[in-house]
Amino acid sequence: EVRLVESGGVLVQPGGSLRLSCAVSGFTFSSLWMHWVRQAPGKGLEWVADIKQDESEIHYVDSVKGRFTISRDNAKNFLHLQMNSLRVEDTAVYYCVSGRGWVLDNWGRGTPVTVSS
Amino acid sequence: DIVMTQSPDSLAVSLGERATINCRSSQNILYRSNYKNYLAWFQQRPGQPPKLLISWASTRESGVPDRFSGSGSGTDFTLTISSLQAEDVAVYYCQQYYSGPITFGQGTRLEIK
Repeated sequence: EVRLVESGGVLVQPGGSLRLSCAVSGFTFSSLWMHWVRQAPGKGLEWVADIKQDESEIHYVDSVKGRFTISRDNAKNFLHLQMNSLRVEDTAVYYCVSGRGWVLDNWGRGTPVTVSS
Repeated sequence: DIVMTQSPDSLAVSLGERATINCRSSQNILYRSNYKNYLAWFQQRPGQPPKLLISWASTRESGVPDRFSGSGSGTDFTLTISSLQAEDVAVYYCQQYYSGPITFGQGTRLEIK
């Protein structure tokens, strides 16, 4: 069974940067399509970004394009999300999710990011 | 972007009764080449991450009780819980993966009456 553990979520000021990480175990990481999904406090789910197994396909939701960068380290079994120029509206719990393609079948417990002055 | 709209926003059902949640996509999410609907359902219990219940509109994930079923095609889909149990109290989301960006419905909160 895939185990996903996120880290890196903290309180950061608007305009700041943050790097989230997700440690993946229990499955061959290099065979997994990986995603980040976020959930603002009391709100619904918003898909943020994804990255194919070999990094040949990467996609972002429009609201983070040019500010966030998804990456992966298949040798160390890690997924990352570099978040720059953070805005108050980026405040959310960020979930690391593995997929059978775009079927989001395993979720981590999430890491909270708060953007506030 | 494909907009997913769920109804109702909230629902209260008695234990043992049927619960029905609807989801409509703003465009067709049936891929005619393989006749698959690119639609998933998730359950999010309080304080928990979402859990995948159903993919391809009607395929239950391993370990999901058979009281959960999905149906529909094209643009209109339904999640049915045949006999509500206390542990089914949660928010339920539909999600399309037919085309990017992946989008979710706004969620339906299910409570016990």
